[in-house]
Amino acid sequence: GAVVSQHPSWVICKSGTSVKIECRSLDFQATTMFWYRQFPKQSLMLMATSNEGSKATYEQGVEKDKFLINHASLTLSTLTVTSAHPEDSSFYICSAPLGSSVYEQYFGPGTRLTVT
Amino acid sequence: SQQGEEDPQALSIQEGENATMNCSYKTSINNLQWYRQNSGRGLVHLILIRSNEREKHSGRLRVTLDTSKKSSSLLITASRAADTASYFCATDFQGAQKLVFGQGTRLTINP
Repeated sequence: GAVVSQHPSWVICKSGTSVKIECRSLDFQATTMFWYRQFPKQSLMLMATSNEGSKATYEQGVEKDKFLINHASLTLSTLTVTSAHPEDSSFYICSAPLGSSVYEQYFGPGTRLTVT
Repeated sequence: SQQGEEDPQALSIQEGENATMNCSYKTSINNLQWYRQNSGRGLVHLILIRSNEREKHSGRLRVTLDTSKKSSSLLITASRAADTASYFCATDFQGAQKLVFGQGTRLTINP
């Protein structure tokens, strides 16, 4: 089946610094990728839709200047958390649909971000 | 919010018993899916049911969909300790190119 990877799997950074998370589709191309955030014991909340070659689409309430998304190729999307604060500590998960069907998404293993 | 509601939020049962989780949603859907997530891990896709389907089976899993009530249920039969996880429903809506997740049910299977 289709595989999506994320790197790093966990990261600890100091408050005020920026951290980049990568999402790769390993054996298929994805013009669209999705970024979710999940706080402990809560559900996945969609943050933004990453579009290859164009600007990302952010969900209401998500600060686009704080969560920078770049979808530079058909297999790679990156999420950069800028000027991270402890409240940004969360589990970040990406996904990529196989083909044009949004329901057939493959999820990465997630990245645990801890901001100290 | 378009996010679905799931109940119960937490469920604890003995190994071998059946576990039932419910999901409700707010708008018309194309498909509804169930995912499992072990603590601190990614999502595992369990089963998809389309809006024109009413019931689907996969191994020990049984999913029902009632579009008139905008609800779905996931039944896990003969539960095992390895079934301990959080379970989420996710829907894709007509006209929206995204998945929306329910709140999830934390299932604990006691040996």
